[in-house]
Amino acid sequence: KNQVEQSPQSLIILEGKNCTLQCNYTVSPFSNLRWYKQDTGRGPVSLTIMTFSENTKSNGRYTATLDADTKQSSLHITASQLSDSASYICVVSCPRNTSGTYKYIFGTGTRLKVLA
Amino acid sequence: KAGVTQTPRYLIKTRGQQVTLSCSPISGHRSVSWYQQTPGQGLQFLFEYFSETQRNKGNFPGRFSGRQFSNSRSEMNVSTLELGDSALYLCASSLGKWRIGSDTQYFGPGTRLTVL
Repeated sequence: KNQVEQSPQSLIILEGKNCTLQCNYTVSPFSNLRWYKQDTGRGPVSLTIMTFSENTKSNGRYTATLDADTKQSSLHITASQLSDSASYICVVSCPRNTSGTYKYIFGTGTRLKVLA
Repeated sequence: KAGVTQTPRYLIKTRGQQVTLSCSPISGHRSVSWYQQTPGQGLQFLFEYFSETQRNKGNFPGRFSGRQFSNSRSEMNVSTLELGDSALYLCASSLGKWRIGSDTQYFGPGTRLTVL
C-alpha cells in the first residue's frame, strides 16, 4: 500500500537550534517528493521539490535530502527561528498506470514549535 | 503579483445543501488543483484542472465536482453535503508544466466549510 509516514508527530525546540524531520515512504513508482510548510490558518507553502535523481535541495535555512534507495527523506532546519513554528508536510507523487495522470500521497505532518 | 485568492473564506451550511467554492489563480497560471484538509485525514487531493479540462482526480465521490473557466478561475462544487465534508478546502495554482518535478504549487488561504 502506498504510504507516507512522518516523524516525529510533534517537536519542540529552542530558537537557534537545528532540527531534522523525517519522511519515509512506500510509494512506488515514485515521481517526486515535496516538502511544504503550513502556518496555522494558512495554506501550505512549497519548500522543496525533488525528483528521484536528486539527493539534496536547499531553500535558505531549509535543506531536504532524499535517498530513493531506502525511500527516506529528511528536512533539516538550521538556526531555527520563531517563524519556523508550523506544520511540515511531506508529499510523494507517483504516476498512475493511465497515461499522464498521477496521484499524491500525503504525510500527516510534523508540528514544530520553536520557543524563545 | 497577486497570490491565489479563494472565496468565501468561511462558510456554514447544513446537511443536504450544496456549496460552490471559488478560486482565482495567480496570473499566468493555467493549472488549478483542489485539496481537502481535515484534522483526521490530513491533506487529500481532490482534482486538478488545466486549460478547462480535468486532468487528474483523487478518490472522492461524485458529489465533489469542479470546473475551470477560460480565464483559469476555478470553482468546486459539493452537493448533498454531509457532516464529514466539514474541512478546509485549499486551492493551489501552478504554471501547469507537464514535468511534475518542476511544477511549484502556490496555495490560497483556503475556505473553511462547516456542515451542521
